[in-house]
Amino acid sequence: QSVLTQPPSASGTPGQRVTISCSGSRSNIGSNTVNWYQQLPGTAPKLLIYTNNQRPSGVPDRFSGSKTGASASLAISGLQSEDESDYYCAAWDDSLIGYVFGTGTKVTVL
Amino acid sequence: EVQLLDSGGGLVQPGGSLRLSCAASGFTFSTYAMSWVRQAPGKGLEWVSGISGSGGSTYYADSVKGRFTMSTDNSKNTLSLQMNSLRAEDTAVYYCAKGRAMVTWSAMDVWGQGTTVTVSS
Repeated sequence: QSVLTQPPSASGTPGQRVTISCSGSRSNIGSNTVNWYQQLPGTAPKLLIYTNNQRPSGVPDRFSGSKTGASASLAISGLQSEDESDYYCAAWDDSLIGYVFGTGTKVTVL
Repeated sequence: EVQLLDSGGGLVQPGGSLRLSCAASGFTFSTYAMSWVRQAPGKGLEWVSGISGSGGSTYYADSVKGRFTMSTDNSKNTLSLQMNSLRAEDTAVYYCAKGRAMVTWSAMDVWGQGTTVTVSS
């Protein structure tokens, strides 16, 4: 059972902006940085955002991350068909002394 | 090119053992944290274990603590996961992943292709 809660699904039409929330607690998001991963069907996860709002080389600037207190969010602006994927937030948890992933959000492009 | 190649998965009976390996290339293996992450069929991602770049600190999820052991061989640039007392709930695709930094809490920026472990009689 994950300690980071995400909505199970989100959707939008091409060009729209979609936001995914990630709710944690003081021991994880409240104390540590947040990372976001994208997982296309049948493939390994890919790092999308690290340290709350940093994009690795090659990740389009349509993807942005933010963090406030014990919550974080991922925004996808200018939604494209290839963005249809599962998205996971993640952070280190000081109480569990381990890394925790969110429950995951499936994004559908209508 | 930075690359991770997972191997060692297979079918094992409950209570049995299996050893996964991850061959790393294209980076200085000993200076980055490494992790194992698994994904049960139709489920989300679950962190299993992590080791610091120095190898001095190793951490495990409660679900595998005392049964799984993670180790590195810096001379061979290889990461291993020894899995004992396997249970049906350990059935999953297992991925090795490289951290962006030496500390285990750093983001995982390179992933292996995954190796499938099935625990069933």
